[in-house]
Amino acid sequence: EDKVVQSPLSLVVHEGDTVTLNCSYEVTNFRSLLWYKQEKKAPTFLFMLTSSGIEKKSGRLSSILDKKELFSILNITATQTGDSAVYLCAVASGTYKYIFGTGTRLKVLA
Amino acid sequence: NAGVTQTPKFQVLKTGQSMTLQCAQDMNHNSMYWYRQDPGMGLRLIYYSASEGTTDKGEVPNGYNVSRLNKREFSLRLESAAPSQTSVYFCASSDPGGTGYTFGSGTRLTVV
Repeated sequence: EDKVVQSPLSLVVHEGDTVTLNCSYEVTNFRSLLWYKQEKKAPTFLFMLTSSGIEKKSGRLSSILDKKELFSILNITATQTGDSAVYLCAVASGTYKYIFGTGTRLKVLA
Repeated sequence: NAGVTQTPKFQVLKTGQSMTLQCAQDMNHNSMYWYRQDPGMGLRLIYYSASEGTTDKGEVPNGYNVSRLNKREFSLRLESAAPSQTSVYFCASSDPGGTGYTFGSGTRLTVV
């Protein structure tokens, strides 16, 4: 059975801290891994990773994929209160199917 | 604004009532999806439509039906609502060559 597991389930940090969120997967026919940020409403796209070892960066956020060990990490440096959200990891299996983890709830305190 | 539009945003139903959730996208995406999101369960796929004219079951299809009306629209129907269907429902669309999903803003459904 395909599965995506995220850890930790929740995290509380102070502004300025650096956090690392984890996503491991067991999925047949892996195509890509995606990270989303969900605040009050719909998830918004952050990164799509298809190749091992190539870091994707966007401002203070970065992510990398390890296809041999079947995991990805999402790093956020110099966290801000606006980073408080649920971060979702999803793995694309085949052309149309995406399997989501349950998410990591991040709270950044001022 | 380009994107995925869902209606309604909120709905309360009595057990046994029926309703249809509407979804439309204007990004010319081929694939559309319906998910439900429950606390501690993450996003679970109900049904998807890989392209106009096709629909397939996802992880949790029981109690739901879908219609891909045309390339833009994909509706989700609850024929006889049950309290277990209380959830937040998201519609999404994607293009296989693109960057994952674009989600609608969600429908919060409560069945009493």
